[in-house]
Amino acid sequence: EAGVAQSPRYKIIEKRQSVAFWCNPISGHATLYWYQQILGQGPKLLIQFQNNGVVDDSQLPKDRFSAERLKGVDSTLKIQPAKLEDSAVYLCASSLVRGLAIQETQYFGPGTRLLVL
Amino acid sequence: KQEVTQIPAALSVPEGENLVLNCSFTDSAIYNLQWFRQDPGKGLTSLLLIQSSQREQTSGRLNASLDKSSGRSTLYIAASQPGDSATYLCAVDSGAGSYQLTFGKGTKLSVIP
Repeated sequence: EAGVAQSPRYKIIEKRQSVAFWCNPISGHATLYWYQQILGQGPKLLIQFQNNGVVDDSQLPKDRFSAERLKGVDSTLKIQPAKLEDSAVYLCASSLVRGLAIQETQYFGPGTRLLVL
Repeated sequence: KQEVTQIPAALSVPEGENLVLNCSFTDSAIYNLQWFRQDPGKGLTSLLLIQSSQREQTSGRLNASLDKSSGRSTLYIAASQPGDSATYLCAVDSGAGSYQLTFGKGTKLSVIP
């Protein structure tokens, strides 16, 4: 079974530029999550999708961050314009809907490491 | 709002030692608790998952316990090996309809050969 795919793996941009990250979840996983992990911190949930609908985006800085999952499969997270404090690893995860999984957990991709200069 | 705290932030032990990592959470209304491992430059791998009705789970040299009423969990690693060196994250799932994980900051473990 293929895991969660993310690209790019690394990105360096200057502040005020825009950047986009892509995630392809495990096949059949209806739920997709984007997390931000700042150095030395645990991952913080930015947005959660179930199929192509948003379940929770309460911690997404909506003035600069946006995300979409148009066909209910892969997803894109965008930052525009980027700030220095956006430097972090952006993790994508996916899971089955609760109640359908034997192992009720999220499966994480390798992450995209963003550096904003 | 759920808050998860992990102690210590970093730990260095000689190979072969047994060790304990601690996790505490503020809201006992949880669905389950998970321990993850994170290697540098890589994503998170789930190690153990304890349902709220369970007291402990074991996998190989790893044993995780859960005391929901006191808001605590421990991860016990027996006979540590250099390959165990990584950051260990505790995450609490408080979601009802869907998984919603709140993570601690992690404990960075170094096992010295």
